[in-house]
Amino acid sequence: SQQGEEDPQALSIQEGENATMNCSYKTSINNLQWYRQNSGRGLVHLILIRSNEREKHSGRLRVTLDTSKKSSSLLITASRAADTASYFCAPYSNTGNQFYFGTGTSLTVIP
Amino acid sequence: DSGVTQTPKHLITATGQRVTLRCSPRSGDLSVYWYQQSLDQGLQFLIQYYNGEERAKGNILERFSAQQFPDLHSELNLSSLELGDSALYFCASSPGVRGSEKLFFGSGTQLSVL
Repeated sequence: SQQGEEDPQALSIQEGENATMNCSYKTSINNLQWYRQNSGRGLVHLILIRSNEREKHSGRLRVTLDTSKKSSSLLITASRAADTASYFCAPYSNTGNQFYFGTGTSLTVIP
Repeated sequence: DSGVTQTPKHLITATGQRVTLRCSPRSGDLSVYWYQQSLDQGLQFLIQYYNGEERAKGNILERFSAQQFPDLHSELNLSSLELGDSALYFCASSPGVRGSEKLFFGSGTQLSVL
């Protein structure tokens, strides 16, 4: 299955610092999405980057994609306590036609 | 609010029992996905329905089944429940059949098997 693997598993930072999470996958993809999950809640879509894009921004979020290395990163700038959540990547390929999520990165932002 | 409704929010039952989880997708969405989230397994894809038909199967046990009705709501049936089935079950929806679209998740059903 085309499952994303997030790294690190857990990350703890001070409010105002930047947070970087990484995602690796195994096969070629059409796009890759990042989702956020607050404790015990449903996942919320953050951003989608297509395979022909290298970087994408949305507010304080910056996503990069390196298809040659089969990896993506999510950068959250000037983090806030409200950013405390788990973050999941979901690589998508037309051949698999499904999203397979990993176990996520648990981010804690300390006020 | 994602527009995806899941009921019930919590369910407590005993081993060997059968339960039904319900999901109403966002208005206009034709695809429904079911996911299981447990502490040790992460978020596992179970099954997808599109406009009433099964489109893809993931790690769904034979004791589990699902269907999507003409009004597009979906039900996930879990039978012969075991302790290990305790998990958070999510439903998600998207407009079309392809998984390239973003998914909208419900708030989940927390199942506890005692």
